[in-house]
Parts: sequence; structure tokens; C-alpha cells
Amino acid sequence: EAGVAQSPRYKIIEKRQSVAFWCNPISGHATLYWYQQILGQGPKLLIQFQNNGVVDDSQLPKDRFSAERLKGVDSTLKIQPAKLEDSAVYLCASSLVRQGDEQFFGPGTRLTVL
Amino acid sequence: AQKVTQAQTEISVVEKEDVTLDCVYETRDTTYYLFWYKQPPSGELVFLIRRNSFDEQNEISGRYSWNFQKSTSSFNFTITASQVVDSAVYFCALRVDRGSTLGRLYFGRGTQLTVWP
Repeated sequence: EAGVAQSPRYKIIEKRQSVAFWCNPISGHATLYWYQQILGQGPKLLIQFQNNGVVDDSQLPKDRFSAERLKGVDSTLKIQPAKLEDSAVYLCASSLVRQGDEQFFGPGTRLTVL
Repeated sequence: AQKVTQAQTEISVVEKEDVTLDCVYETRDTTYYLFWYKQPPSGELVFLIRRNSFDEQNEISGRYSWNFQKSTSSFNFTITASQVVDSAVYFCALRVDRGSTLGRLYFGRGTQLTVWP
């Protein structure tokens, strides 16, 4: 079974530029998550989708971050404009809908903002 | 509020030593789930175990074992006879499936384990 796919793996941009990340979840997983992991910290949830609807985006900085999951499958996360503090690894995860189900993570995108 | 504390930032051991990674959690909910994930240098988080709040039975899987104690709000992870391949960052996480936080994982800061040959 294929895992969660993410691209690109690495991205370097200058502050105030825009950037987008792509995620394709495990086939059949209705729930998709985007996490931000700053160096030395645990991942923090940015947004959660169930199918193509947003379940939780309370921790998403909506003035600069946006995400969509068209057709309830793959998803994109965008930052516009980027700030230095956005340097982090952006992890995508997916899971089935059942309570307590484990989340399966992709390899992440390492973003460096100069 | 939900919180996970991993007080050990870094641990170094020599191969074949046993090592225990500590995890303390806080929640007011009676139904919750606890997880351990491994993050090797490649960066991908690898699921190790899930435990729900009603199941305090300890679990052993090969060289890995987990000790869940609700009385102390702890969910500790022990690696027996550690190996170099165990070197990674290990995260403990808490999940409370309620309302708007359904599915959200609350992670600790992680423990960097280094196993020397």
C-alpha cells in the first residue's frame, strides 16, 4: 500500500515570497491533516479536513496560510507571503475516520525562508 | 486543555543498554488515546503504538514495551537491548476525540535518542 506522498521535499524561498506544498493521502483515507514542525518541537496541527470539508483550522494563521482539498483527495497548503518564522517542516498525514485511528505521515516538506 | 510533556530532551546510550523514554500527559477528558511515534533522520513520523484510556494493560512488541499508568498520567516507552537503528526522535502524543478537536494530536517536544555502537 502506498504511503502519504508529499512534494516538494525541500524548498528555499526569500521572505515575502509565496510557496505551495502538495499532499496525496493514503487511498481511502477520508481525513487529512497538515502539521507544522518547527526545529526542536513536536508537530502542531494547522488544519484538518474530512473529505473536502474543514474540520479544524483554529491554529492556521489565516492571514497568510491557506489550504484546500478539492475532490476530497489530495491537498495543497499555501503560504503567502512567507515570513522567517515559517521555516519549518510541513507534514501531511491521513487517517480513516474512526475514533482513535492512528495517523500516517508523509516525509514532509522542509521549508527554509531566508 | 491537553498537554504532553517529554522532559528528556536528549538521551545517549551504548548499544545493548536498555532505555526508557518518559511521557506525562494532561487532560480532563476520560476518553482519550495515547500514541508513540518515531522520527528517524529521514523525517517521516512512524507510528509505533496506540493505547486508549480504558486499556491500562502494558504491551510488549519485540524489544519495545510500553507502561501506561493512569494514576500518574504517564505512558512510558522502554527499548530493551537498544540498537544503533533505534537512534531517532521519539514523540509521545495525546488525542481527544471531542468536538472541534476531533482527531487532533497533541505532541510532546520529543526525545532525541542516540545509540552508540
